[in-house]
Amino acid sequence: SQQGEEDPQALSIQEGENATMNCSYKTSINNLQWYRQNSGRGLVHLILIRSNEREKHSGRLRVTLDTSKKSSSLLITASRAADTASYFCATVPTGNQFYFGTGTSLTVIP
Amino acid sequence: EAQVTQNPRYLITVTGKKLTVTCSQNMNHEYMSWYRQDPGLGLRQIYYSMNVEVTDKGDVPEGYKVSRKEKRNFPLILESPSPNQTSLYFCASSIMDRYNEQFFGPGTRLTVL
Repeated sequence: SQQGEEDPQALSIQEGENATMNCSYKTSINNLQWYRQNSGRGLVHLILIRSNEREKHSGRLRVTLDTSKKSSSLLITASRAADTASYFCATVPTGNQFYFGTGTSLTVIP
Repeated sequence: EAQVTQNPRYLITVTGKKLTVTCSQNMNHEYMSWYRQDPGLGLRQIYYSMNVEVTDKGDVPEGYKVSRKEKRNFPLILESPSPNQTSLYFCASSIMDRYNEQFFGPGTRLTVL
């Protein structure tokens, strides 16, 4: 399977702390995307990073991409209770299929 | 409002009884896709479509059919559902270019007894 894998599977932090989650994948990609899912609901797109980019910011989100290591990280700074959700990376390799990782469950404790 | 809609949202059925889950988007997106989500397995792509009358298998197409007769609709058909198809299903759509942010529907929770 070309599915990515997030690490850690679960993460629990205090409000105000930073949360970092990682994604590893197996094949060359066109881009990598991060999505958020609140319990049992549809996924919401957070940020997209292209294969020729190394870092991207959006508000409190910072994404890095290392294509040589086939890995990406998502950093959420100054976390809030409302950030509690599952976070998934998705990769788009040479074709038009999407491959989602297994997700990181983030709990932010008020 | 730009959105992807799915119906029904919840469905309990029995083995072998054909069912269809509808998906519709109002954003004029070319690309549409179906996923299933199972605990510990993340989201897995079932089928996708790059435009009308163009469909392709994803990672787990067995037991499913799709059709794309109109740009806005992409129904998922289970001809003979089995208990291992009990899952949470999501439809998604995106503009067909090289970098595709996907918009997801609210999900359909299917239980096959």
